[in-house]
Amino acid sequence: GAVVSQHPSWVICKSGTSVKIECRSLDFQATTMFWYRQFPKQSLMLMATSNEGSKATYEQGVEKDKFLINHASLTLSTLTVTSAHPEDSSFYICSARRQTRINTEAFFGQGTRLTVV
Amino acid sequence: TQLLEQSPQFLSIQEGENLTVYCNSSSVFSSLQWYRQEPGEGPVLLVTVVTGGEVKKLKRLTFQFGDARKDSSLHITAAQPGDTGLYLCAGARSQYGQNFVFGPGTRLSVLP
Repeated sequence: GAVVSQHPSWVICKSGTSVKIECRSLDFQATTMFWYRQFPKQSLMLMATSNEGSKATYEQGVEKDKFLINHASLTLSTLTVTSAHPEDSSFYICSARRQTRINTEAFFGQGTRLTVV
Repeated sequence: TQLLEQSPQFLSIQEGENLTVYCNSSSVFSSLQWYRQEPGEGPVLLVTVVTGGEVKKLKRLTFQFGDARKDSSLHITAAQPGDTGLYLCAGARSQYGQNFVFGPGTRLSVLP
């Protein structure tokens, strides 16, 4: 089956530094990828839609200058948390959708646990 | 407005019990997926249903897509602690992936 790989699985960084998270679709091309944030014991919250070759689309309330998204190829999207602060600590998950002739399925990365100290 | 509703939101049961989780909408979906997410991991796709009335089984899990393709259910027989997790349903409004929406999730806890 299709696989989406996310790296790193966890990262601890100092306040004020930036952290980059990678999301790769391993056996299919994804012109669109999605970045979610998940708070403890809650469902997924869509942050932004990453579009290959164009600007990302951010959900209301998500700072685009804070969460930089780059989708440079059909298999890779990156999310950079800039000038991280402790309140940015969270579980970040990416997703890519595989489209077939009859349906569309979403596949998720393993998630990245970010802790800002 | 939540396009997909899930019920119950939380469920805590004893090992061996049966349970059903519901995913409902007023919208028609071309396909619907169910995911399970365990703590500290990303959601994992369990099944995709495409045809109205379709029933799919995955060991002790039975998934059904409503005849009108607006709702779905997940039934677990003889639940085990390993079934514990967040169950998410997601629907695609068209086969081309537009308007792909997620339900809020059902958090299941199976106690030994």
